[in-house]
Amino acid sequence: AQSVTQPDIHITVSEGASLELRCNYSYGATPYLFWYVQSPGQGLQLLLKYFSGDTLVQGIKGFEAEFKRSQSSFNLRKPSVHWSDAAEYFCAVGGFGNEKLTFGTGTRLTIIP
Amino acid sequence: GAGVSQTPSNKVTEKGKYVELRCDPISGHTALYWYRQSLGQGPEFLIYFQGTGAADDSGLPNDRFFAVRPEGSVSTLKIQRTERGDSAVYLCASSEDRGPNSPLHFGNGTRLTVT
Repeated sequence: AQSVTQPDIHITVSEGASLELRCNYSYGATPYLFWYVQSPGQGLQLLLKYFSGDTLVQGIKGFEAEFKRSQSSFNLRKPSVHWSDAAEYFCAVGGFGNEKLTFGTGTRLTIIP
Repeated sequence: GAGVSQTPSNKVTEKGKYVELRCDPISGHTALYWYRQSLGQGPEFLIYFQGTGAADDSGLPNDRFFAVRPEGSVSTLKIQRTERGDSAVYLCASSEDRGPNSPLHFGNGTRLTVT
């Protein structure tokens, strides 16, 4: 069975500070990993994805994530957050030939001035 | 260009009624997905279409739920004898082709409330 754990329900960060959102996954084969962002009233938007190769992947809006197989983790990072980054962030796992993405429960990010 | 369109954006219905939720995918996208997002949860897979056929419907919770995509474009999710536990945001997504290399484009969802 595949699963995703996002241990932080809510994180508050000051504008300009660095950010790390945690994601741990369970998958029986080579995982394909994704981070999505959901802003209020908007659909989910793909930030970045990892399939293979370089374990540090770059995404849109200045986000990056690092795949660590030994820790079954795929944490999302940003060196300096902006007020517009306030949203809900979801980590998801799937696999080749597996169209069914499994999402975590999300982390709500609040940015304070 | 136009994204994935879902109608209605909100639907309130009484317990026991029948509802239909519509999804217009991005033109030319062959793959279409339905997910359900309950309050405080991540999206949960319901069903996946490749063209007109349901390639994987393993996420449909029971036989009250059914989805169609008769012409390989627009899809309708149908819920019979609605229950209060069906209340959620129903998300539709499409992609150019199957497989993780083809990113999912999500609509804004239909918020279903069963009273």
